[in-house]
Amino acid sequence: GENVEQHPSTLSVQEGDSAVIKCTYSDSASNYFPWYKQELGKGPQLIIDIRSNVGEKKDQRIAVTLNKTAKHFSLHITETQPEDSAVYFCAASNPQGAQKLVFGQGTRLTINP
Amino acid sequence: DAGVTQSPTHLIKTRGQQVTLRCSPKSGHDTVSWYQQALGQGPQFIFQYYEEEERQRGNFPDRFSGHQFPNYSSELNVNALLLGDSALYLCASSFGVAGELFFGEGSRLTVL
Repeated sequence: GENVEQHPSTLSVQEGDSAVIKCTYSDSASNYFPWYKQELGKGPQLIIDIRSNVGEKKDQRIAVTLNKTAKHFSLHITETQPEDSAVYFCAASNPQGAQKLVFGQGTRLTINP
Repeated sequence: DAGVTQSPTHLIKTRGQQVTLRCSPKSGHDTVSWYQQALGQGPQFIFQYYEEEERQRGNFPDRFSGHQFPNYSSELNVNALLLGDSALYLCASSFGVAGELFFGEGSRLTVL
């Protein structure tokens, strides 16, 4: 089955700097790659997603890139702000199980003022 | 517009007991998925319900069962609780089996 590895497990950056989180997946049939933000005591919230027919997607300060050949995808947050502090999860799924998401282990992002 | 609501928010059980968790999907949604999130880990897919039937299932034993009602709400039942069942149980809803998932805030289960 699918396996998703996420790095780093913790990341600390200065406010205004950029943050990058990387994930690799094992199932070449996976075609949907969402990123979720989870704040303390809350459920995961979708922040951006990408499908396998696209190499990059951007939404304001957040961007995701996908390399299907290498089977890895990354989340990029620019101009970080204190409210970006949270745990971020990548996930993957294939057409047969669109909502059967396989999540990475998570990255705890801390923005230092 | 209410989002996904789950109850109870916290509960404590002892080994061997049974628990029922409840979920009301976001307005307009007809599909419910359940995930288990152990402390410090990513969520793991348990199963998905659509049209009152289990459509997909993850690698969880038969002790985990569910139900979806005609109003699209759902229950997760866990029998013969083990210490390892302690986790945050997340419900997610969507419109259709492939729609964007919206998660609730979860039910935190502690098994003593």
